Amino acid sequence: DTAVSQTPKYLVTQMGNDKSIKCEQNLGHDTMYWYKQDSKKFLKIMFSYNNKELIINETVPNRFSPKSPDKAHLNLHINSLELGDSAVYFCASSQEQLPSGYTFGSGTRLTVV
Amino acid sequence: GQQLNQSPQSMFIQEGEDVSMNCTSSSIFNTWLWYKQDPGEGPVLLIALYKAGELTSNGRLTAQFGITRKDSFLNISASIPSDVGIYFCAGRSPGTSYGKLTFGQGTILTVHP
Repeated sequence: DTAVSQTPKYLVTQMGNDKSIKCEQNLGHDTMYWYKQDSKKFLKIMFSYNNKELIINETVPNRFSPKSPDKAHLNLHINSLELGDSAVYFCASSQEQLPSGYTFGSGTRLTVV
Repeated sequence: GQQLNQSPQSMFIQEGEDVSMNCTSSSIFNTWLWYKQDPGEGPVLLIALYKAGELTSNGRLTAQFGITRKDSFLNISASIPSDVGIYFCAGRSPGTSYGKLTFGQGTILTVHP
């Protein structure tokens, strides 16, 4: 029943590892996003995909690679993890012309040690 | 880039008190949104505003879209303990596509019983 679900909820990993976070939405939305929330709770957009096409890439290091196999899924792969990557990552979706329908997942807390 | 200044950064109030927080932007927006984030969860939409001067209520919450289109405020009346959380404003500027939102820094609300 969850509208935007992301897995895992928690991820603890060592520096240098590669990890993925998965996101799925069942709202029929055409646009999906990844946001990063830092330790000060600031939310910043990383990527946006519209119908599987990359639309927004906000100066994110190329170690971060989003993949959208279909418009209901947007996964985030991170290579060579660094300590500074520790944060909460939120997936979200919306129908492009209806920003009020912007729906967030419950977040993935990534801790790099 | 655009910046949203949200204030206050934090509030400590007694149950039953009214709360007011606001956001100001360096440029005009055509959409203002207010979200609440509970611990361990993603932000949830409270109120969406689409026209300058618009005043919208959702239960004990009231929000307004400023006439200048560069600001918005959120009021919570008769606060209760479950109002605790982080409140974010977010805006969408004219010509921005695919749901790109800019978020404020958040207001952390603590309600003492």
